[in-house]
Parts: sequence; C-alpha cells; structure tokens
Amino acid sequence: ELKVEQNPLFLSMQEGKNYTIYCNYSTTSDRLYWYRQDPGKSLESLFVLLSNGAVKQEGRLMASLDTKARLSTLHITAAVHDLSATYFCAVGGGSQGNLIFGKGTKLSVKP
Amino acid sequence: ETGVTQTPRHLVMGMTNKKSLKCEQHLGHNAMYWYKQSAKKPLELMFVYSLEERVENNSVPSRFSPECPNSSHLFLHLHTLQPEDSALYLCASSQEWGLAGGQDTQYFGPGTRLTVL
Repeated sequence: ELKVEQNPLFLSMQEGKNYTIYCNYSTTSDRLYWYRQDPGKSLESLFVLLSNGAVKQEGRLMASLDTKARLSTLHITAAVHDLSATYFCAVGGGSQGNLIFGKGTKLSVKP
Repeated sequence: ETGVTQTPRHLVMGMTNKKSLKCEQHLGHNAMYWYKQSAKKPLELMFVYSLEERVENNSVPSRFSPECPNSSHLFLHLHTLQPEDSALYLCASSQEWGLAGGQDTQYFGPGTRLTVL
C-alpha cells in the first residue's frame, strides 16, 4: 500500500527566511505532484515531477524529486507572506493508478 | 465559466435529509473524482469516473451515491448522513485516468463545505 508522509505538518517562518518541506513515499512511483491550498479555497497545482532528479522552479518555490530515495522536497527561498498556505504532495501509483495525498504542511509566514 | 465548478459551496443538512452535490468541469477532461477532506485525515479519494464509468470506489458507505451522466458533470447524492460526514467535499478532473505523465494532473473545484447536524 502506497503511503505518503509530509513533514513538518506545521511550519511558521519569518519573511526572508529559507525552509524545506519534505515528502516521503513508501513504494515506487512514476510521478509526484505539489499542490497549494489557501484557506477556504481549492487545491492549485504547483508542480509535476516525472523523473528522478527532476527540478522545477516557480518564483520562490523549487521542487525536486529523488525517486531512489522516494523523496521530494519543496524549498522556499526568502519567504513572503503571500506564500502562507497549506502545501500538499501527492504521489501517483495508488491502487489502479490514483493519487495518494500527504496530510499537508500548513505554512505561516510572519513579517 | 472555466475550470472546475462546484455547487453548492456550503450545505447544512440534517441526518434524515437527502441532498446532492454537483460538479462541472469545463476542461474537456475524461476523468472526474470525488474527494473528502476532513480536519484530521489526509485527502481521501472517494470515487473515480473515467469516460462516465466508475473505476474506483474506495469502500465508501452507501449513503454516498455518485452519478456521472456525462464526462462534464459529476454528482454526489447524499442521504441519511452522519455528523462525522461533515467535511469539505472536493471534485477534481484530469485529462485521463490512471496514466503516467502529466496528463493526469488533477484540477480541483472550490469544494462544498458540508455540515451534518
């Protein structure tokens, strides 16, 4: 059974600081997704990572994938308040090819 | 409208009521999904439809009944719910289902916040 674990689950950081969110998964997968969810809103797709060593960047966010370690990271550079949200990783390969989501990391960026 | 829409956005119902949630996608996708998001659990997949046929049912209680009349619309019919069914119900769609690659990036609707009294 595919399991996905994110850590930390809660993250409070100051503006301007850097931090990394980790996503570990338990079995082989061929794709990994990062989503963002603002309070009371839906999930927004951020990144799709499809191969070992894949790295994608958008603004202050950079995601990477190490399929051998079964690990993806979401790195935040020089955080700003607008990045406050809950970030989910999701891994493909559940039963019948569905996505399995982590519990999410609630990020709060304070001035 | 663009993307994935859901109605209603908020719903309060008693345990004896019958209600339906509606989802519509304007993306030309072939797969649609219902998820349940509650405070204490990860996002839980409930149902998957691909080309209007149900392909996944994750041991969901029969008080939840999905319907997919066409590839653009998905319903979740609710009856005799329990208070623990209170949650955010999210609909999503993707180009295809069960394939490797970016084709199955799922696009989510805004959700229906359900409260069962």
